[in-house]
Amino acid sequence: EDQVTQSPEALRLQEGESSSLNCSYTVSGLRGLFWYRQDPGKGPEFLFTLYSAGEEKEKERLKATLTKKESFLHITAPKPEDSATYLCAVQARWSGNTGKLIFGQGTTLQVKP
Amino acid sequence: DTAVSQTPKYLVTQMGNDKSIKCEQNLGHDTMYWYKQDSKKFLKIMFSYNNKELIINETVPNRFSPKSPDKAHLNLHINSLELGDSAVYFCASSQDIRASGVGETQYFGPGTRLLVL
Repeated sequence: EDQVTQSPEALRLQEGESSSLNCSYTVSGLRGLFWYRQDPGKGPEFLFTLYSAGEEKEKERLKATLTKKESFLHITAPKPEDSATYLCAVQARWSGNTGKLIFGQGTTLQVKP
Repeated sequence: DTAVSQTPKYLVTQMGNDKSIKCEQNLGHDTMYWYKQDSKKFLKIMFSYNNKELIINETVPNRFSPKSPDKAHLNLHINSLELGDSAVYFCASSQDIRASGVGETQYFGPGTRLLVL
């Protein structure tokens, strides 16, 4: 069964303290892996799409990487405004014509000043 | 400019009532979706539509009926609301999922918070 597991469930960092969020996935052929950020009371905001192992993408203090089994979201020198829930989702190759995303449960990040 | 918009933002209603949620996207996308986020923040797909054609009905009760009048709009009608329907419902859209060989990025709306009393 296709599934996505994110760890840790919650993460507290001091401002400037770099860390990584993990997204482990089991899927029968990967069509795409997606990272989103969700602030309280808002919809998921798109961050990155990764398609194949070895791929990396960066945006400001965030860097996403992908292997055949997991993805990492690296946060370098985080600021309080990076506090949010980060969601990982995968799309399996078999679901290509449906667009179905399978989401993990998210990692809630709190960055203290 | 709002890319994906939903109305209403909040919906409080009594058990047994019928209600609708509207979604509009101005991104020129061909595919639209409805997701449900439960109290544990877990997001799960309910429906997807491609060019007004239903693609997925992900084991959703018949009380939920999506309707797509055109490819920029996807509405969700819920009959006989139950307590368990309380959740946040998100609309999303993407480029045509049938035209690409890779996963298309989905863009989400702000959500509709439904509370059934």
